Formats: sequence, C-alpha cells, structure tokens
Amino acid sequence: QSDLTQPPSASGTPGQSVTISCSGSRSNIGNNVVNWYQQLPGAAPKVLIYSNNQRPSGVSDRFSGSKSGTSASLAISGLRSEDEADYFCSAWHDSLNGYVFGSGTRVTVL
Amino acid sequence: QVQLVQSGAEMKKPGASVTVSCKATGYTFDRYGFSWVRQAPGQGLEWMGWISADNGNRNYAQKFKGRVSMTTDSSTTTAYMELSGLRSDDTAVYYCAREQLGGIPMDFWGPGTLVTVSS
Repeated sequence: QSDLTQPPSASGTPGQSVTISCSGSRSNIGNNVVNWYQQLPGAAPKVLIYSNNQRPSGVSDRFSGSKSGTSASLAISGLRSEDEADYFCSAWHDSLNGYVFGSGTRVTVL
Repeated sequence: QVQLVQSGAEMKKPGASVTVSCKATGYTFDRYGFSWVRQAPGQGLEWMGWISADNGNRNYAQKFKGRVSMTTDSSTTTAYMELSGLRSDDTAVYYCAREQLGGIPMDFWGPGTLVTVSS
C-alpha cells in the first residue's frame, strides 16, 4: 500500500493526450514538491518532471506536470508508442522523513 | 557523461546480509549523494534511504533502520548499501540513484542489482 495513490492504468491512441493523477496528503504532496519518474520495460526509472512542473534537460515538452493542494498530475500529449511505460509520482513525506512513491500507472498506447 | 555501474546479481539465504555497490563516474563525486531505492518483482518503487558523499550524513527510511547501512568511498567513487537479516520479501531489484539536496532528485540511476533471497 503506497502513500501516494495513482490509477493502475491509463491508455490512449497515438496522438491523444493522457493524464495521470497522484493523490496524497498534507504531509507529502501538500507540503512538498512532486516529482515524476518514467520506467520503460526492463529499464531503471528516469526522472521526467521535478519540482511539480520542471523538465530536466532532454525531456520532451510533451510531458508536463502540475500540482494543486494534495494532488498532482502528469500529462502526456501527442502520445507515442515509446511512451508505453510505468509512471511513478514521488514526494517527500514530512513525518516519515523520507521519500514516498505512488503505486505506479502503466500507460498503454493502443 | 554520468554513469552509475552496479554490482552483479546476488542470491542469498534468509538471515544473511548482502552488499550492493554503485561505482560513479563522469562527475565530481562528493558534490552529490545517493539514494537507494528497491523494487520487488512486479511492484512499485520503495525508497530506502540517502547518504551524502560529501560528509557521510545519512537518512534511512524508518522501515529499514537497524538493518541497512549506507557508505561511500571517495577514493574509488563508489557507494555501498548493505542490508542484513534478509527475508524472502527483500527479494527485489536494488537501485542507486544520484541525489543532490536542492537539485534534481534522483537524476541519474544505476541499472539495478537483483537480490534474490531464498532457502
């Protein structure tokens, strides 16, 4: 059971947009920034979005993040086959004094 | 370029200990720290803790306190994570990830090390 709640799956056809939600509490998302990681099949995770809505160098602008209150979202626009992956949200948890992750959302391109 | 190379797969018996290493190259070692994250088969990510490569400060997740030990060796630019008292539910892929407080969190990851615990 994860501290951050994500839908287990999301899907779309090529070119469509997909949005993944991440719900937490005041102790994590409410008080801290949210980061998103992409894990392609058989690979290590890779940071996609940090500080709620910042993209590291090299990450496509088709990926965008937002946060409001105790929830956050990752949006993928112009869906491509190479976007098929697991996506995890993460935030610092104040009372646990450590990072917590969401349970992950598997994105399928139909 | 930044690279994190981890040690190979391990098979351990319950109650044993395992040490996973993470050799870092391509950047100034002591300007960053390391987070360790594990992923059980078919499961999500679980943060285990963090260590500074600069001053050795550590922060272990409550769940692992007493069982985990993280260290770094600046002479070999290598980070280590030792987990003791292994149980079957410790079977997982263990990742090291570069971490800079106030910077991009876990911005580079190692390929992972599979640790299997079985009698």
